Amino acid sequence: GESVGLHLPTLSVQEGDNSIINCAYSNSASDYFIWYKQESGKGPQFIIDIRSNMDKRQGQRVTVLLNKTVKHLSLQIAATQPGDSAVYFCAENAGGTSYGKLTFGQGTILTVHP
Amino acid sequence: EAGVAQSPRYKIIEKRQSVAFWCNPISGHATLYWYQQILGQGPKLLIQFQNNGVVDDSQLPKDRFSAERLKGVDSTLKIQPAKLEDSAVYLCASSLTSTGEKLFFGSGTQLSVL
Repeated sequence: GESVGLHLPTLSVQEGDNSIINCAYSNSASDYFIWYKQESGKGPQFIIDIRSNMDKRQGQRVTVLLNKTVKHLSLQIAATQPGDSAVYFCAENAGGTSYGKLTFGQGTILTVHP
Repeated sequence: EAGVAQSPRYKIIEKRQSVAFWCNPISGHATLYWYQQILGQGPKLLIQFQNNGVVDDSQLPKDRFSAERLKGVDSTLKIQPAKLEDSAVYLCASSLTSTGEKLFFGSGTQLSVL
């Protein structure tokens, strides 16, 4: 079936560096994408979202880029901090009859070294 | 604003036993979701409620899993009988809309089936 996947399962960066987490999706009908952060022992926490009619959206220290041509999504974190260490998931909403149903990717573990 | 509340936090049972999880969504959130998260994977939707009606339960193993949301507020998820492969974190989420936007997750119930 359709799925969302991640290229890199782990990412290690130094504090202050910029981080880029990538995600590939396969459902061309998906029209809404979300990035979640999950810390150990907690549920996923919303970071930022983007609709398919946009190719870039910025938040506080985070930017999401969407390339519909190659079905690729990325999350950029500026000036990464130790508190950013977590597992990051991308999720897609296929719309249509699947509206409301999010499909999550595998996740990328981000480790930030002080 | 109070978040999504779940209990218990942890549960250990033997296979073939029964278990139930409870969720109290954010006040005013009409949509409630139950997700299963197996270690090392992203969350997978089990069931979605809109008020007290089921919107999507296509991935719920109905021979052993059941869920209800009486009065459109709290929800319970039950497994009877449990299997070893049911070991996972069971996450409850809620949102204002039914379109899969801005889901707020609880901390989950970690289930170990021995």
